[in-house]
Amino acid sequence: AQSVTQPDIHITVSEGASLELRCNYSYGATPYLFWYVQSPGQGLQLLLKYFSGDTLVQGIKGFEAEFKRSQSSFNLRKPSVHWSDAAEYFCAAATGGGNKLTFGTGTQLKVEL
Amino acid sequence: DGGITQSPKYLFRKEGQNVTLSCEQNLNHDAMYWYRQDPGQGLRLIYYSQIVNDFQKGDIAEGYSVSREKKESFPLTVTSAQKNPTAFYLCASRDRTSGNTIYFGEGSWLTVV
Repeated sequence: AQSVTQPDIHITVSEGASLELRCNYSYGATPYLFWYVQSPGQGLQLLLKYFSGDTLVQGIKGFEAEFKRSQSSFNLRKPSVHWSDAAEYFCAAATGGGNKLTFGTGTQLKVEL
Repeated sequence: DGGITQSPKYLFRKEGQNVTLSCEQNLNHDAMYWYRQDPGQGLRLIYYSQIVNDFQKGDIAEGYSVSREKKESFPLTVTSAQKNPTAFYLCASRDRTSGNTIYFGEGSWLTVV
């Protein structure tokens, strides 16, 4: 079955430190890949997406993600975290038709000042 | 402004009552979706519609119903048959022109007492 796994439920980093959130997918073919961010009680905001081509994708708010086919991974990174980055982050994947988006269970990011 | 509007933001209902959540989009997107979010479980797909007057069940459709009479509107009814309806509900729509990217509304909190 198609699935998306985010191994880390909670992550705490200090402000200014680097960040990497992990995401692995299990699909027959390379899916479309997305990262979303959610603040408490709000909808999801798209950070970045990967469809094909360059495996390093730049997104909004200084985030980037790298697609690694050999590891079936699409990890999200940020060189220097800001306190306002504290939120929940979701990795998601969709097949080529894009009809259904499958989500990971999310990673809650806490930023220590 | 273009976007996805969900209403109401907060809704309280007594057990056994049906309730309808509204979702309207002015993005001219063909496909629309309803997701349910519970803590620690990520987002799960309830129903989706790819075109007017057509919709398909998602992974957790039992106890829910939808209609798609207009392109702009995709209301979700939570029926009394849904055993655990208290949750955060998110509506979304898909933009085919940007690689099938899915965008979300701000969500609706439903509490059944």
